[in-house]
Amino acid sequence: DGGITQSPKYLFRKEGQNVTLSCEQNLNHDAMYWYRQDPGQGLRLIYYSQIVNDFQKGDIAEGYSVSREKKESFPLTVTSAQKNPTAFYLCATTYSATNEKLFFGSGTQLSVL
Amino acid sequence: AQKVTQAQTEISVVEKEDVTLDCVYETRDTTYYLFWYKQPPSGELVFLIRRNSFDEQNEISGRYSWNFQKSTSSFNFTITASQVVDSAVYFCALSERNAGNMLTFGGGTRLMVKP
Repeated sequence: DGGITQSPKYLFRKEGQNVTLSCEQNLNHDAMYWYRQDPGQGLRLIYYSQIVNDFQKGDIAEGYSVSREKKESFPLTVTSAQKNPTAFYLCATTYSATNEKLFFGSGTQLSVL
Repeated sequence: AQKVTQAQTEISVVEKEDVTLDCVYETRDTTYYLFWYKQPPSGELVFLIRRNSFDEQNEISGRYSWNFQKSTSSFNFTITASQVVDSAVYFCALSERNAGNMLTFGGGTRLMVKP
């Protein structure tokens, strides 16, 4: 099936620990995005990548890191520098960065132990 | 700076009622795009519609309709004869011409349709 796969669905982080959220797509889309969703709030952009080996910071990049070594994959690492990581994280893709609609994964809920 | 406001945080209706979700936006760009997404309990956002700033025609898709008014900077969404399956969080979003796919989202409206 074509689509976007995010894993795990639920993730728990201990204080001081880095954790990595996976996002894989087989839609052959060029652009990939990470959004953070807090309860009762809209989505905020963390990082985005328009092509392989290139990525840009979004509005709330502090405490996060990404890589884009393959077109299909755009993992997000939540570092220990992110002091309030509890949130729902959504990965999205689009064919190209031209104001087209985004396709979203089913998300990862990250909680702090 | 661009901004999207969805003043209704939560709406509750009874099945078969019509309901309108409000969206007001701010932008300095003359070319921009407006979107609506649906987020069911499963969590994945589902695209509903995209409208560019030069197309003010209202659109209807089945029970869904959208009213775009540049004069009031609004892009409202109406569900006619609501159904329980319409229960979800609905997001309005805006992207400007030069911002690629950098969407600015509103805070979302949680719609609960009761049987």
